[in-house]
Amino acid sequence: DQQVKQNSPSLSVQEGRISILNCDYTNSMFDYFLWYKKYPAEGPTFLISISSIKDKNEDGRFTVFLNKSAKHLSLHIVPSQPGDSAVYFCAATGNYGQNFVFGPGTRLSVLP
Amino acid sequence: KAGVTQTPRYLIKTRGQQVTLSCSPISGHRSVSWYQQTPGQGLQFLFEYFSETQRNKGNFPGRFSGRQFSNSRSEMNVSTLELGDSALYLCASSLPRDSTYNEQFFGPGTRLTVL
Repeated sequence: DQQVKQNSPSLSVQEGRISILNCDYTNSMFDYFLWYKKYPAEGPTFLISISSIKDKNEDGRFTVFLNKSAKHLSLHIVPSQPGDSAVYFCAATGNYGQNFVFGPGTRLSVLP
Repeated sequence: KAGVTQTPRYLIKTRGQQVTLSCSPISGHRSVSWYQQTPGQGLQFLFEYFSETQRNKGNFPGRFSGRQFSNSRSEMNVSTLELGDSALYLCASSLPRDSTYNEQFFGPGTRLTVL
């Protein structure tokens, strides 16, 4: 049973528009969430994170929103750029020592 | 600061063989985790080592094992390779969970192909 789900395997967005990537989780013990970006032939790169005590975190063009009651988080990229084309993974972790659980990823394509 | 390094980057083996992959974490990082990535499956957690001890383990058969050395470097071993073990194996390091920095930093991965 997948504890972290990314129901959209792929997403295409026009350059300059907003990209919204969604992630749902089932484990209520998760209290820290992260987004990673992965290019082919490279390891995932950390993008942005959010703690369960917050509902929003911004870093430049990237904003993560957390809705704890819905067990849902989303990553907004504004404006989207062709260099943002990559696979995006949502990850979650919980109490001390718990491993990170990753979603299956969403492939984002930003079209020029 | 140097990033996480993994060796080798590419490996081709045949069924039944065994393989050892190596990971050197970022200096100062004491936690090392291993993941298997296959198409459509995302990153599947294998195990985590901290201070030379396995702290967490995923749902993989006993053919998958690992260890960590006193300098935090880690190795992962897969015995009796099967075709389904073909994947990208990623290593990630992080500071201990009780610090404010919880991000995992990934290496480039080792691409294992089993023929």
